[in-house]
Amino acid sequence: DAKTTQPNSMESNEEEPVHLPCNHSTISGTDYIHWYRQLPSQGPEYVIHGLTSNVNNRMASLAIAEDRKSSTLILHRATLRDAAVYYCILRDVDFGNEKLTFGTGTRLTIIP
Amino acid sequence: GAGVSQSPSNKVTEKGKDVELRCDPISGHTALYWYRQSLGQGLEFLIYFQGNSAPDKSGLPSDRFSAERTGGSVSTLTIQRTQQEDSAVYLCASSPQGGMNTEAFFGQGTRLTVV
Repeated sequence: DAKTTQPNSMESNEEEPVHLPCNHSTISGTDYIHWYRQLPSQGPEYVIHGLTSNVNNRMASLAIAEDRKSSTLILHRATLRDAAVYYCILRDVDFGNEKLTFGTGTRLTIIP
Repeated sequence: GAGVSQSPSNKVTEKGKDVELRCDPISGHTALYWYRQSLGQGLEFLIYFQGNSAPDKSGLPSDRFSAERTGGSVSTLTIQRTQQEDSAVYLCASSPQGGMNTEAFFGQGTRLTVV
């Protein structure tokens, strides 16, 4: 499986934008870049995904580098509720295997 | 319900007993995943189903672990002769039709404690 690398932790002030980086230098042409987050004592929840173009939804934006070897999840205005572990995942299909492989993620702390 | 449902939400069992954990995926979702998460750790993949078949069982940690899915819907994860190291939160997720361009929806998990 292609691997992703994320910082272990980040801090941000409330109501400011947050940029969460992810490196995936071994990404293949068919890998989709997915982001999930896990709030304390919750199951993971989907945030956003993309292939090549930047993506926006109601939760966040995803900026994908032109060579696709890195991406950045952008929370435009962090709230206390955004404190969570954020996972960057590459999703591909390999001989019918569609598992989502979670790394260690980035623990985001929001400072009031 | 609208989401992935797991039961029980909490289970305490004695070492050596068998346990069954249940997952009800979102209706119509063909892909189903089991993960476990030990305290303070990341998510460990266990098994993936597409319909009733399991093309990937690579994550099952030992032959004490098994899972089945019937009717392309409900799945049961069974742990035989439970050990203390099996204590963890067991998470189930489902995804529509599988594939790279879809999102997965997670349940709230079953917290298993082996005493």
